[in-house]
Amino acid sequence: DIQMTQSPSTLSASVGDRVTITCRASQNINKWLAWYQQKPGQAPKLLIYEASSLQTGVPSRFSGRGSGTQFTLTISSLQPDDFATYYCQQYNSYWAFGQGTRVEIK
Amino acid sequence: QVQLQESGPGLVKPSGTLSLTCAVSGDSISSNHWWTWVRQPPGKGLEWIGEIHYSGYTNYNMSLKSRVTISIDNSKTQFSLSLTSVTAADTAVYYCARSPRYWGQGTLVTVSS
Repeated sequence: DIQMTQSPSTLSASVGDRVTITCRASQNINKWLAWYQQKPGQAPKLLIYEASSLQTGVPSRFSGRGSGTQFTLTISSLQPDDFATYYCQQYNSYWAFGQGTRVEIK
Repeated sequence: QVQLQESGPGLVKPSGTLSLTCAVSGDSISSNHWWTWVRQPPGKGLEWIGEIHYSGYTNYNMSLKSRVTISIDNSKTQFSLSLTSVTAADTAVYYCARSPRYWGQGTLVTVSS
């Protein structure tokens, strides 16, 4: 099974900061990676699919990069609404999720 | 617009069977997609449970495989999850999904006597 390793587990940042979350797959998943944002009591919200494609309606400050085994999610200028938990997910072979990154106010 | 809605008992007794249904609208359940179940224990991360194709093929998380059955009802445009011999560790919000793009809102299932 493919394992997803996400880092950091917690990230403290301020409004306006540029933040980057990293996700590593235990084997090649090509471009089949998604990023989600989740807030308490809500279902995960898709931000990025196929590693770098922005889901419709998602602000352009979110971007994804990578292929193969190394991926990143970047928020170019953190906004108050962005404080949440973020998950990466591979869907190359079944599904598997990273452990999550909690983005908190510094 | 594809929509998914989970339903089922919110409380299940230990050693019992958890049964949930996902109703699909805006898409045919016989379309060439995999229909998926994911769960999230309170305060923890997301766990893939398994998936089913309309043709009947299934794939399950190896850690749950001995207890899980996912089935599909083409006539009712829904698919279902059955998890046997549940314990408190199975308490979670259960989500159904079709691809990363479409998720249900989730339903909390608590295992308790």
